[in-house]
Amino acid sequence: GAGVSQSPRYKVAKRGQDVALRCDPISGHVSLFWYQQALGQGPEFLTYFQNEAQLDKSGLPSDRFFAERPEGSVSTLKIQRTQQEDSAVYLCASSLGRRENTGELFFGEGSRLTVL
Amino acid sequence: EDQVTQSPEALRLQEGESSSLNCSYTVSGLRGLFWYRQDPGKGPEFLFTLYSAGEEKEKERLKATLTKKESFLHITAPKPEDSATYLCAVQAYGQNFVFGPGTRLSVLP
Repeated sequence: GAGVSQSPRYKVAKRGQDVALRCDPISGHVSLFWYQQALGQGPEFLTYFQNEAQLDKSGLPSDRFFAERPEGSVSTLKIQRTQQEDSAVYLCASSLGRRENTGELFFGEGSRLTVL
Repeated sequence: EDQVTQSPEALRLQEGESSSLNCSYTVSGLRGLFWYRQDPGKGPEFLFTLYSAGEEKEKERLKATLTKKESFLHITAPKPEDSATYLCAVQAYGQNFVFGPGTRLSVLP
């Protein structure tokens, strides 16, 4: 497809389980971002990749959150030992240029995580 | 710390009733201000980028303007299909995109 694809669209986890969320960015896009969006709020930055390099992970809320993009295309956001406060929509976005000179982010539809 | 606030939180308009949404920001060294539209259950969809005070961009019934402290999204003669959450984001040079909480717009037929 031509857009950013995320899977799964919905994930229900029991507290303490590990989850993995996948993002397929637009082919050729250099930058990839992960955001967390709570209900009724704007997206909050988690982490940024330029190709395979994770240049910024300042938004990851704890060491239970881990992201990778090993070949500079598909990215995975992993959350270990999930907690109820992790419940949110996780959005992936990609852009053609680097973060410092890009004009538009292309977002996926998000993965909604519910932790019981 | 870069901050973005948006007002109103929610807005209900009758079809054809024009209005404006506000985005106020504090950022050290603004590189760009971005407007996105988000439909329920979807990711944000890019609308506009504004780079300098005085700049204006238009698309159909939407017009975005920028000053040194705020941006307005003007909606002229809105239609029900314009109902969505409108998000504003700012980016300082070398920094991340910081999003506001959004304005939920409902346009009633």
